[in-house]
Amino acid sequence: QLVLTQSPSASASLGASVKLTCTLSSGHSSYAIAWLQQQPETGPRYLMKLNSDGSHIKGDGIPDRFSGSSSGAERYLTISSLQSEDEADYYCQTWGTGIVVFGGGTKLTVI
Amino acid sequence: QVTLRESGPALVKPTQTLTLTCTCYGFSLNTSGMCVSWIRQPPGKALEWLARIDWDDDRYYTTSLKTRLTISKDTSKNQVVLTMTNLDAVDTATYYCARVQDDAFDIWGQGTMVTVSS
Repeated sequence: QLVLTQSPSASASLGASVKLTCTLSSGHSSYAIAWLQQQPETGPRYLMKLNSDGSHIKGDGIPDRFSGSSSGAERYLTISSLQSEDEADYYCQTWGTGIVVFGGGTKLTVI
Repeated sequence: QVTLRESGPALVKPTQTLTLTCTCYGFSLNTSGMCVSWIRQPPGKALEWLARIDWDDDRYYTTSLKTRLTISKDTSKNQVVLTMTNLDAVDTATYYCARVQDDAFDIWGQGTMVTVSS
């Protein structure tokens, strides 16, 4: 079964970097994912599509501070030079034949 | 500019049918490879994919709600319509439509909040 697992919460200091993790279920380590950001009281925003080899294509207007990487079944989103507006929920999403799966989301707090 | 806009009732009674419309701007639903999905998010909870319709009219549904959902499109109006039958309080959520590009949801609407209550 295709499942994405994310830690419920993360925190990091203003100006620092943070690395969020999304883990694909067993047998699905070759899958690409997408990262989404949802700021408070807004709809989700597409950040990037991240492939199993770590290559990624970012959405329009996404700052260079956002980058993606991969290792095995893990997919990472790294945000550098954290700003207050980065405080948001971050979701990963993937797809199979006729199905779409979201992770449970990680709430990032910028302290 | 590519945008999507959801519309529909804010309040629905239990057992009723919900009809939501997603109007798409800046791209055509007829374009080869173009797809649109519906996603929902209950208050304080995670995103849940509901359905997808493709440019060639292929349709896909989440297994858990398949018997209650119908997705369709009106290419003359560039709209995607989702109907959900037999509404319950657990269906209270913000409903989003999103364009699907290369399997990723690259453009999202602002969402429409639907409350199921008598």
